Amino acid sequence: DAKTTQPTSMDCAEGRAANLPCNHSTISGNEYVYWYRQIHSQGPQYIIHGLKNNETNEMASLIITEDRKSSTLILPHATLRDTAVYYCIVRSYTGANSKLTFGKGITLSVRP
Amino acid sequence: DGGITQSPKYLFRKEGQNVTLSCEQNLNHDAMYWYRQDPGQGLRLIYYSQIVNDFQKGDIAEGYSVSREKKESFPLTVTSAQKNPTAFYLCASSIDRWRTGENQPQHFGDGTRLSIL
Repeated sequence: DAKTTQPTSMDCAEGRAANLPCNHSTISGNEYVYWYRQIHSQGPQYIIHGLKNNETNEMASLIITEDRKSSTLILPHATLRDTAVYYCIVRSYTGANSKLTFGKGITLSVRP
Repeated sequence: DGGITQSPKYLFRKEGQNVTLSCEQNLNHDAMYWYRQDPGQGLRLIYYSQIVNDFQKGDIAEGYSVSREKKESFPLTVTSAQKNPTAFYLCASSIDRWRTGENQPQHFGDGTRLSIL
């Protein structure tokens, strides 16, 4: 699976949009982009995933650039409960190895 | 509510002792996974199972064993051969990709924190 690069940390004000970037310049055509988050001492929570089209669900939006070398996770109205470590992962469409490769992620701090 | 239940939340192991971590899911998922997380690190795959009575080693299987006798259950045993067992253990499950033709998101339990006495 391709590697991803994320900033170490960022913060945003409560109620504002949080835009979390991710670079995956070596992504191949059959790899999806997944986002998870982990709140301290809990298991990771699945947020969203996509291949090349932008995706939206009740939690977030995922914007993937046309060349697929980077993406942005958008939390439209961040709350204090969104403070967590966010992981960007690329994963093969049909890879035999089913593991998720988590890097160190980006720590998002939402301030009041 | 449907979900993944891990127990216990905290577990302590004595030297030379085997301990078993429980993972149960009622999501009717085919595949189940065990990961280990060390402080400040990402997750590493220990074992996974895509079907009952079958499982595969992950990246760090040494010192661990699993069984998959029921679809809903995937217990992990940390044996005395695992010399550095202190970690946060996470169980996950997913719909198998053969049902939909693509890898499906894995959903996680809330973990078991294992420490050595």
